[in-house]
Amino acid sequence: EPEVTQTPSHQVTQMGQEVILRCVPISNHLYFYWYRQILGQKVEFLVSFYNNEISEKSEIFDDQFSVERPDGSNFTLKIRSTKLEDSAMYFCASTTGERNEKLFFGSGTQLSVL
Amino acid sequence: QKEVEQNSGPLSVPEGAIASLNCTYSDRGSQSFFWYRQYSGKSPELIMFIYSNGDKEDGRFTAQLNKASQYVSLLIRDSQPSDSATYLCAVKGPNTGGFKTIFGAGTRLFVKA
Repeated sequence: EPEVTQTPSHQVTQMGQEVILRCVPISNHLYFYWYRQILGQKVEFLVSFYNNEISEKSEIFDDQFSVERPDGSNFTLKIRSTKLEDSAMYFCASTTGERNEKLFFGSGTQLSVL
Repeated sequence: QKEVEQNSGPLSVPEGAIASLNCTYSDRGSQSFFWYRQYSGKSPELIMFIYSNGDKEDGRFTAQLNKASQYVSLLIRDSQPSDSATYLCAVKGPNTGGFKTIFGAGTRLFVKA
């Protein structure tokens, strides 16, 4: 089965620093997503991206967050000035957009903000 | 109002028993319903999806959907210790916009050998 690839698997940063989380979605997929999961909590939607623009974002996705598809393969999540509460597992996912299609998840990036 | 609600558990069943997991959702316009399994520290993996009222069976798993009651369930027959995980109910539909999928908080299942 094709895979979504995320790098790095672990990222440690100091509070206030910028981090970029990287994802390579499945090549024929059109919709891209970022989700996060704080330890012990639910998988939370952050943002969806289609046709090179954000199609929807949650309240969590404030001005400190941005997404970009800089080329034909990568999809990135940038956090400009990290806070302690940004510590979480961040999952990238992609789909073709069919109604009943599952989310294809990457293996996640564990972000620790110190 | 929470969009997708699940009992957090833990639900503990003996090996070989039936595990029953339940979920309710608030958006009546929801169209597709998914059950994912998540092991600790791993990404969610799809168990089943259902979009029509009634039952859908796949091996040891049966998903049930009742749109009138806004209720989805998952039955796991002949539960195995390897089924021990957190089970996430997830909902997708036109009202969520952008084909967004919303997850419940998950039910932790323990299958005792």
